[in-house]
Amino acid sequence: NAGVTQTPKFQVLKTGQSMTLQCAQDMNHNSMYWYRQDPGMGLRLIYYSASEGTTDKGEVPNGYNVSRLNKREFSLRLESAAPSQTSVYFCASRSLAGASNTGELFFGEGSRLTVL
Amino acid sequence: LAKTTQPISMDSYEGQEVNITCSHNNIATNDYITWYQQFPSQGPRFIIQGYKTKVTNEVASLFIPADRKSSTLSLPRVSLSDTAVYYCLVGAETGGFKTIFGAGTRLFVKA
Repeated sequence: NAGVTQTPKFQVLKTGQSMTLQCAQDMNHNSMYWYRQDPGMGLRLIYYSASEGTTDKGEVPNGYNVSRLNKREFSLRLESAAPSQTSVYFCASRSLAGASNTGELFFGEGSRLTVL
Repeated sequence: LAKTTQPISMDSYEGQEVNITCSHNNIATNDYITWYQQFPSQGPRFIIQGYKTKVTNEVASLFIPADRKSSTLSLPRVSLSDTAVYYCLVGAETGGFKTIFGAGTRLFVKA
C-alpha cells in the first residue's frame, strides 16, 4: 500500500520556468491538499480539493494552480517559478471521519523545489 | 476556523514526561482536536485525536478540560527520537475542510 506518492522528490528550476508537481493516493480518499513548508516554519496550505471536481484556495494560493484530475490525483502547477517559491511541498489526503477512522491527514514524503 | 496557540519550543530530557498545551478559545461544538508529529525532512503524521475528557493510545495521551478551550498533549518518558515538531489542529474532521497548520511546538529532547 503506497499511500500518498509525490513526484518528483527533488527539482531545481530557473526563475520563470514552469513545472507540475504530481500527487497520487491509493486510499480512496475524497479530499486532497497541497502544503508548502519553508525552512524552520510550519506548513502553509496552498490549495485543497474537498472532493473530485472541486478545488479551493488555501492560505497562500498566489503563483500556483491545481488540478484534481480524478479521485486519485491532485497536481500543483507553478506557471512561472520565482525564488520565493523555493520550499518543500507536501501533498496530503484524508477520508471522511467516521466510526472507524479519525479523518486524519496522510502525507507524502515531500517534494524539494529550488528556484534559482 | 478555530485559531490555536502553542508554545514555540520546549526542551526536555530523556525519560521525562512532556506536556504541550494548546489554546483554542473559539473551538466550535463539532470541532475535534488533533495532534500531529513531524520529524525533519518528513511529512507530519497523526498522533492522537479527541473531543473531550481524556484519550490515550500507545504513543500519547490527550487531556481536554470540560470547556474544551485548551488541550494538553502528554508524551510519557520521552526519548531522543521524540525530538520533533508537534502541531495542534482544531476543526471538524469531516473531510474536505480547510485544514490549517500553525507554527507548531518544537520539542528538543536532550540526553
